[in-house]
Amino acid sequence: GEDVEQSLFLSVREGDSSVINCTYTDSSSTYLYWYKQEPGAGLQLLTYIFSNMDMKQDQRLTVLLNKKDKHLSLRIADTQTGDSAIYFCAESITNQGGKLIFGQGTELSVKP
Amino acid sequence: DAGVIQSPRHEVTEMGQEVTLRCKPISGHNSLFWYRQTMMRGLELLIYFNNNVPIDDSGMPEDRFSAKMPNASFSTLKIQPSEPRDSAVYFCASSPGQPNTGELFFGEGSRLTVL
Repeated sequence: GEDVEQSLFLSVREGDSSVINCTYTDSSSTYLYWYKQEPGAGLQLLTYIFSNMDMKQDQRLTVLLNKKDKHLSLRIADTQTGDSAIYFCAESITNQGGKLIFGQGTELSVKP
Repeated sequence: DAGVIQSPRHEVTEMGQEVTLRCKPISGHNSLFWYRQTMMRGLELLIYFNNNVPIDDSGMPEDRFSAKMPNASFSTLKIQPSEPRDSAVYFCASSPGQPNTGELFFGEGSRLTVL
């Protein structure tokens, strides 16, 4: 069945880069997503990448997609304490009307 | 514009009681999703609707769980009878549907504690 996997924790120092990794199973996913969840809140879309792209950059965020290995990563440059949150990778499931499967989430802790 | 609105934000109840969680999706969105978040299982899709019709309820854990969407602006998730293992944060999300990027817009969640 469909599955999305991420490491559970990442700790970095303020100003460093953070890289959060994800693997997924549905090779025909049209879009792959990164969502951010702050404490006590719902998930918010950070960025997404279309499956025919290898890379997408959006200010401090860089998404890399390796379709062959079904590997997605999110790099946050110059990580700030405000970036501390849980980051979820998600894939859209083909022909299932917008259904998204989420990873377990990676808790990013940014130390000053 | 208002986002996805969920109520109640917090509910504490006793085992055996009925629980009803409510969701108002974003106006104009035609897909609605119910997710459950726990430490152990992460974010699980329970059920989703397209144009008010349930499409996939394979994630609904048991017959104690039911969901309805009587119209485009309202959905409920009911647990009867509730059990302590149902304690979780329940999220509702809506989406504009195809063609689009598939982005889901989440509510703030309903935190359920069953004693």
